[in-house]
Amino acid sequence: GQQLNQSPQSMFIQEGEDVSMNCTSSSIFNTWLWYKQDPGEGPVLLIALYKAGELTSNGRLTAQFGITRKDSFLNISASIPSDVGIYFCAGQLDQGAQKLVFGQGTRLTINP
Amino acid sequence: NAGVTQTPKFRVLKTGQSMTLLCAQDMNHEYMYWYRQDPGMGLRLIHYSVGEGTTAKGEVPDGYNVSRLKKQNFLLGLESAAPSQTSVYFCASSYLPAGQGVFRRNEQFFGPGTRLTVL
Repeated sequence: GQQLNQSPQSMFIQEGEDVSMNCTSSSIFNTWLWYKQDPGEGPVLLIALYKAGELTSNGRLTAQFGITRKDSFLNISASIPSDVGIYFCAGQLDQGAQKLVFGQGTRLTINP
Repeated sequence: NAGVTQTPKFRVLKTGQSMTLLCAQDMNHEYMYWYRQDPGMGLRLIHYSVGEGTTAKGEVPDGYNVSRLKKQNFLLGLESAAPSQTSVYFCASSYLPAGQGVFRRNEQFFGPGTRLTVL
């Protein structure tokens, strides 16, 4: 099946630091989504991107839809303890059935 | 609105037993999905439905069946559970925005998950 390569797999940072993670694929995607999952919960949508080159912010989070349509980036500025969790990228490849392909996730740990 | 709910939250089965996981959404969404989440593998699509009475296979459908008799409910069944089906199962739903033409935005909303252990 389609694969999204998400990196890094895990991050250990100090509170207040900025965070960057990305997803790449060999396929072109029409939509990129970024989700966050807290322990014991389902993923929650953070940011949705629909156009190549699009840069969208949600508070301290900023995500970009790569120009080649094969990658996307998520940045978190001035991290705080509640940012801890697993971040997933997802790409929509199939226009008809709206199926998503998910990356393996980036586990973010913050040291206070 | 409760959003997407799943029952049960936890379940332990013995190999060969059967069970049904229930997903319900109160957002009037057309599309519904079942995923499984395993360590280091992200979320993988099991089955999905694009409307009441329709179902289709996803990436990892073997060993599972689904039904969508009502628009708001999507059931996932395991007829004969195997240890390889130990996982966390998530249901999701998404809407069909009007006026989007051929390309439809897919913002999926997830339930809280069901943790299943098969011994």
